[in-house]
Parts: sequence; structure tokens; C-alpha cells
Amino acid sequence: EAGVAQSPRYKIIEKRQSVAFWCNPISGHATLYWYQQILGQGPKLLIQFQNNGVVDDSQLPKDRFSAERLKGVDSTLKIQPAKLEDSAVYLCASRLGTSGGEQYFGPGTRLTVT
Amino acid sequence: GDSVTQMEGPVTLSEEAFLTINCTYTATGYPSLFWYVQYPGEGLQLLLKATKADDKGSNKGFEATYRKETTSFHLEKGSVQVSDSAVYFCALSDKEYGNKLVFGAGTILRVKS
Repeated sequence: EAGVAQSPRYKIIEKRQSVAFWCNPISGHATLYWYQQILGQGPKLLIQFQNNGVVDDSQLPKDRFSAERLKGVDSTLKIQPAKLEDSAVYLCASRLGTSGGEQYFGPGTRLTVT
Repeated sequence: GDSVTQMEGPVTLSEEAFLTINCTYTATGYPSLFWYVQYPGEGLQLLLKATKADDKGSNKGFEATYRKETTSFHLEKGSVQVSDSAVYFCALSDKEYGNKLVFGAGTILRVKS
């Protein structure tokens, strides 16, 4: 079974530029998460989708971050404009069900904002 | 809100030493508890979990017991190997909050041969 795929794996941009990350969850997984992991910290949830609807985006900085999950499958996370403090690893995870079960993580995208 | 506190690292041990990484949590409901591991250059992997009080999760020689009275979920292994060198994250999820994972800051483990 293929795991959670993410691209790109690495990205370097200048502040005020925009960037987008892509995630392809495990086939059939209803729930998709985006986490931000700043160096030296644990991952923090940015947004949670259930199928193609948003369940929780309370910690998403909506003035600069946006995310969508078209047709309840792939998802993209965008930052526009980027700030230095956005340098982090962005992790995508998926879960089969909507009320429990293990989350499976992708390898992450490491973003460096200079 | 819910939170997880882990002991700070790095933890440096010799091969075959006993490992304990402390984890305590704060939650309003009855969360499930997890340990995730992140090997160098790889993504997060679930190591073990426990879903209710007094449950013991175990995998690959690692164990952790859900202690509701002390709100703890300490990770232990009797004899570590060099290949166990990684970052270990304690986490909880609460059905009341959509089962999102709340992570601790992580503990770096270095095992020397």
C-alpha cells in the first residue's frame, strides 16, 4: 500500500514570495491533516479536512495561509506572502476513518524562508 | 487546551542501557495517548498507543502504560540499540477535538556503541 506522498521535499524562497505544497493521502482515507513542525518543536495542527470539508482550521493563519482539498482526495497548502517565521517542515497526514484510527504521515516538505 | 510535556533532551545512552523518556499530559476529556518516532531523514511513524487508562502499548521492545492518576505515559525500553537513535514524540488525541494530535516538543535519543 502506497503511503502519504508530499511534494516538493525541499523549498527555499525569499520572504514575501508565495509557495504551495501538495499532498496525496493514502487511497480511501477520509481525513487529511496539515501540520507545521518548527525546528525543535513538535508538530502543530494547521488544518483538518474530512472528505473535502474543513473540520478545524482554528490554528491556520488565514491572512497568509490557505488550503483546499478538491474532490476529497489531494490537498494543497499555500503561503502568500511568506515570512521568515514560516520556515518549518510541513507534514501531511491521513486517516482512514472520521472518528478514530491511526494517522499516517508523509515525509514532509522542508521550507526555508530567507 | 490539551497539552503534552516531555522531558528535554538530548538523551545519550550506551548500547544495552535502560531507557525512560517521561511524558505527562493535560486534557479535559479522556484522550488516547501515542508515542511517535522520527528516524533521521524519515517521516513520523507510530511506535505505540494506548486508548484507555491502565492500557499498556508495546512495540519493538518499547512499552508505555497509560496512567490516568498521574496523567503520564512514560516510554521505556530495557536495552537500547544504536538503531533506536531518533526523535521521540509523545502525543494525545481527543475525540472532543476531532481526534487531532497534540504533540510534545520531542526528545532526541542518541545511542552510542
